[in-house]
Amino acid sequence: AQSVAQPEDQVNVAEGNPLTVKCTYSVSGNPYLFWYVQYPNRGLQFLLKYITGDNLVKGSYGFEAEFNKSQTSFHLKKPSALVSDSALYFCAVRDATDMTTDSWGKLQFGAGTQVVVTP
Amino acid sequence: KAGVTQTPRYLIKTRGQQVTLSCSPISGHRSVSWYQQTPGQGLQFLFEYFSETQRNKGNFPGRFSGRQFSNSRSEMNVSTLELGDSALYLCASSLVGRTYGYTFGSGTRLTVV
Repeated sequence: AQSVAQPEDQVNVAEGNPLTVKCTYSVSGNPYLFWYVQYPNRGLQFLLKYITGDNLVKGSYGFEAEFNKSQTSFHLKKPSALVSDSALYFCAVRDATDMTTDSWGKLQFGAGTQVVVTP
Repeated sequence: KAGVTQTPRYLIKTRGQQVTLSCSPISGHRSVSWYQQTPGQGLQFLFEYFSETQRNKGNFPGRFSGRQFSNSRSEMNVSTLELGDSALYLCASSLVGRTYGYTFGSGTRLTVV
């Protein structure tokens, strides 16, 4: 079974300060990890993913995430937050080696973290 | 390149009625997945379709069903609507394979009264 935990319901940060959104995961095999962002009344937008290789992944809108296998974490980061980054952020995982279903496996999403960036 | 299109965007139905939601994936995307999003439960996986076959299913009652057509377009149906079915229903399409993420539509906001 695969699972994702986003320990913070909400993260508050001042504009210009670093932003970190935490994510930990659990899978039986190797993980494929994703971050998405959702603005009000919209679908989720893809930010970045980790499949293999370099543990630091760069994505859209200046976001990056660091894969840490020993800590089973994939925290999302941005060096300098903008007010426009205020949104709901979701971490997701897929087990790379899950053979229990007749498919490549669903994406398991975390509960989401609301980011509020104040001017 | 057109995105994932979901219709309708908003829907109000009465308890006991049934509803059909539609999803047109990105051209070339042959996998379609459906999620239910509510404030209390977050994103809950409904089902996944590929080649007109349901490949994966979440823990929802049989009132929730879906299908996929030969052009990869998908529909989901909810029968005998309950108040608790009020949610944002999201469709996502993807290329085939484990390394691909989803592209989401804007969703259908269903309100059951």
